[in-house]
Parts: sequence; C-alpha cells; structure tokens
Amino acid sequence: DADVTQTPRNRITKTGKRIMLECSQTKGHDRMYWYRQDPGLGLQLIYYSFDVKDINKGEISDGYSVSRQAQAKFSLSLESAIPNQTALYFCATSDRTKSTGELFFGEGSRLTVL
Amino acid sequence: AQSVSQHNHHVILSEAASLELGCNYSYGGTVNLFWYVQYPGQHLQLLLKYFSGDPLVKGIKGFEAEFIKSKFSFNLRKPSVQWSDTAEYFCAVNSYSGGGADGLTFGKGTHLIIQP
Repeated sequence: DADVTQTPRNRITKTGKRIMLECSQTKGHDRMYWYRQDPGLGLQLIYYSFDVKDINKGEISDGYSVSRQAQAKFSLSLESAIPNQTALYFCATSDRTKSTGELFFGEGSRLTVL
Repeated sequence: AQSVSQHNHHVILSEAASLELGCNYSYGGTVNLFWYVQYPGQHLQLLLKYFSGDPLVKGIKGFEAEFIKSKFSFNLRKPSVQWSDTAEYFCAVNSYSGGGADGLTFGKGTHLIIQP
C-alpha cells in the first residue's frame, strides 16, 4: 500500500462545481503539502501545513482552500472549479525532524474541469 | 524568492549516450538540493539529494549529481542511459532558513526521451 494516498485519482467535473481532493498518509509525518503540476511549468505549491493548527498559503493559493482534519489527512478544495484549474495535483509529506526537507509524494489526482 | 532553472526542457538521446541535465538555483545561503524523476503515469520519486558533505552525490539507477556552490548548480549526470530512463526530471531546492521545511521549489522539468 502507498504511504501517501490520494483520492480520487481521476475526476472530470464542470465549471462551477465544488471539488474536494483528499490525501491521507501513514508515514507519521507532520508536514503536508499540495502541489499542482502543469505541463512545462513544473510543480507549484498551493498550500502547506506544518501541523493540524498551522496552514500556510503557497505561491498559487487563489481559488483553493485546504483543511487539515488530522495529522494524517490534508484535503484540498476547489469551491467553484474553473477550466484553468485542470491539472495534475500532488499531495506530499515531509518529516519535521529531518532538516533536509525531502518530500514524499502521493500518486496524483488528475482533475479535468470542463 | 527562491527560483530554480532547468536549462533543457526536452532532451532526446540514443541508448548508451551520456546524459547531463543542468540545474541552477538562485538562493545564496544554505540549501538542500534534490533531483526527482517522474516516469510516465507515475508520481515523483527521489533520484538523489544533497544536503552536506561530498558535493558529488550518487543516486539510484546509476545517476549522480555534482553540487558546485560557486556556480549555484546541481547538474544531473548518467554515463550511459537506457530506454527505461525515459521520464520527466525535476530539480528542486529547499532553501533551509532554520525554521524548518516550507516546501521545495521546483524547476519546470526536463522531458527526457531515450530512443532505442
């Protein structure tokens, strides 16, 4: 089983719909992240969380919100999806005790907004 | 803000050719450096990382990278590529400021195609 699990893996929705992408991890890491991947743009940080009570905006947070329901769960919401939010979304975790900052990624959630 | 530049967006090589992918970063302080690989349809996996010590680091599958602080570079190399190395390669930097990791900054990626 994957250490970082994302659901759904694929989702097609319509403009204006609310979408939630969920992430859960069994690595015991305190830090969790949501990234967006677009072809030719690499990965861009949307939100990150150092613990349940600590949520921080990344470089492209507009149009997104997050919820850290527990140490192991971090969900990303699109309140009103728009076509330019069509992308591959990755959840990642890291271990606060390891100062290298290495990230461990989930398998991705492909979202298509029509 | 930290930025990462990967010089080649698309690289096509034949099997057994040597590979070097360039990566430069902007932050001048203490950094941790990474190369991640994304095989078609898969998630990102760590190839190798540098955080201290020997600037020449070896990773999985025969890859290595050299950290040259004076050039702000962390280039990825492999002496002889294989068809299975076809993938997207991402350089990433964590500009560790002492407050902990606030995520990595990624380059835009290099799409590597190995022709049989």
